[in-house]
Amino acid sequence: GQQLNQSPQSMFIQEGEDVSMNCTSSSIFNTWLWYKQDPGEGPVLLIALYKAGELTSNGRLTAQFGITRKDSFLNISASIPSDVGIYFCAGQPYNTNAGKSTFGDGTTLTVKP
Amino acid sequence: DTGVSQDPRHKITKRGQNVTFRCDPISEHNRLYWYRQTLGQGPEFLTYFQNEAQLEKSRLLSDRFSAERPKGSFSTLEIQRTEQGDSAMYLCASSLTAYNEQFFGPGTRLTVL
Repeated sequence: GQQLNQSPQSMFIQEGEDVSMNCTSSSIFNTWLWYKQDPGEGPVLLIALYKAGELTSNGRLTAQFGITRKDSFLNISASIPSDVGIYFCAGQPYNTNAGKSTFGDGTTLTVKP
Repeated sequence: DTGVSQDPRHKITKRGQNVTFRCDPISEHNRLYWYRQTLGQGPEFLTYFQNEAQLEKSRLLSDRFSAERPKGSFSTLEIQRTEQGDSAMYLCASSLTAYNEQFFGPGTRLTVL
């Protein structure tokens, strides 16, 4: 089946630093999604990408849909303590209307004040 | 609160017992999804409904698992003869259509002793 490789697995950064994480797939995706999950809660959608090459921002977050359709990147600028959490990428496959997502295994972000 | 709700939030059971979880999606959302998440991993797709019709089931959903959405509103996920390997967070998500954002509930954390 489809697999997503998300890296890095964890990051420890100082408040104010920028963060980059990425996701690669062995197959093409039609949609890339980035979620944040806090402990004991469900994932919350941060950014959705629908076109190859698309670059989308949501406040301090910026994500890009790779040209090959097999990768995506998420950047967080000027990190703050509330950015702590687990970030997941997810892809929805080409040629389907199921809407189901395949998730990466997450990047755990720790921000030190 | 008009978000996705799940009940119970936590369930501890003994191996061999049956358990049932409930998900109440956002009103008027036609799509409802069930995912399973184990520690250190991203959510894995289990099944989804379009209104009351169950349209796809993952191979992860063994014969001991059954899901229903009888009136196209709330959904239940039942696990019969639970095993320790069933211990996980069970997440429900809903969306207006297949092409809209999926909103996740807080999940039901199952522990099988």
